[in-house]
Amino acid sequence: NAGVTQTPKFQVLKTGQSMTLQCAQDMNHNSMYWYRQDPGMGLRLIYYSASEGTTDKGEVPNGYNVSRLNKREFSLRLESAAPSQTSVYFCASSETPGQGVYGYTFGSGTRLTVV
Amino acid sequence: SQKIEQNSEALNIQEGKTATLTCNYTNYSPAYLQWYRQDPGRGPVFLLLIRENEKEKRKERLKVTFDTTLKQSLFHITASQPADSATYLCALDRSGGYNKLIFGAGTRLAVHP
Repeated sequence: NAGVTQTPKFQVLKTGQSMTLQCAQDMNHNSMYWYRQDPGMGLRLIYYSASEGTTDKGEVPNGYNVSRLNKREFSLRLESAAPSQTSVYFCASSETPGQGVYGYTFGSGTRLTVV
Repeated sequence: SQKIEQNSEALNIQEGKTATLTCNYTNYSPAYLQWYRQDPGRGPVFLLLIRENEKEKRKERLKVTFDTTLKQSLFHITASQPADSATYLCALDRSGGYNKLIFGAGTRLAVHP
């Protein structure tokens, strides 16, 4: 099925370990996003990529890096995981702003626990 | 700072009734507002979008209103069904053109048979 695919679905890390969350979309969308969702706080934007080759910080970028590998793939890296990064991470994509306004398509999420 | 408020308490209603969810925002004038549905363990699913110059938008049993004076959107589900039980999120564009959405924490709706 067309959509946004995230891997892995679950991950447990020890404090200080690193990992990369993978995201791929097959809808030919230009824009991609990484959010984290914590109880009672709503989704918060970590990083986004308006188009291939560009990335920019969202509201909570500290402790994360991203790579827009090509038009399909947008990865999120935790260099040195901390317990405060325990969360559910969602990747999303959308059509290019300016050509209309579109809703996001979200992946099913990665549930990350840092111990 | 920009802030979106949704009722944190769950809304419990009887099947067949109309569910009304509220989204209030401060310190911002968004060009449009979106509503999403999220089921447990799943990612949000886009439902509806309404622009600042639109008072009301409908899609099947769903209706959204947008009052830029009150800084409020109302989301209605008519003839509600147990399958409508989920958390509903509202989201605003925060960047005036780059489609960077800021989300509310959501309101959980439970429709009882």
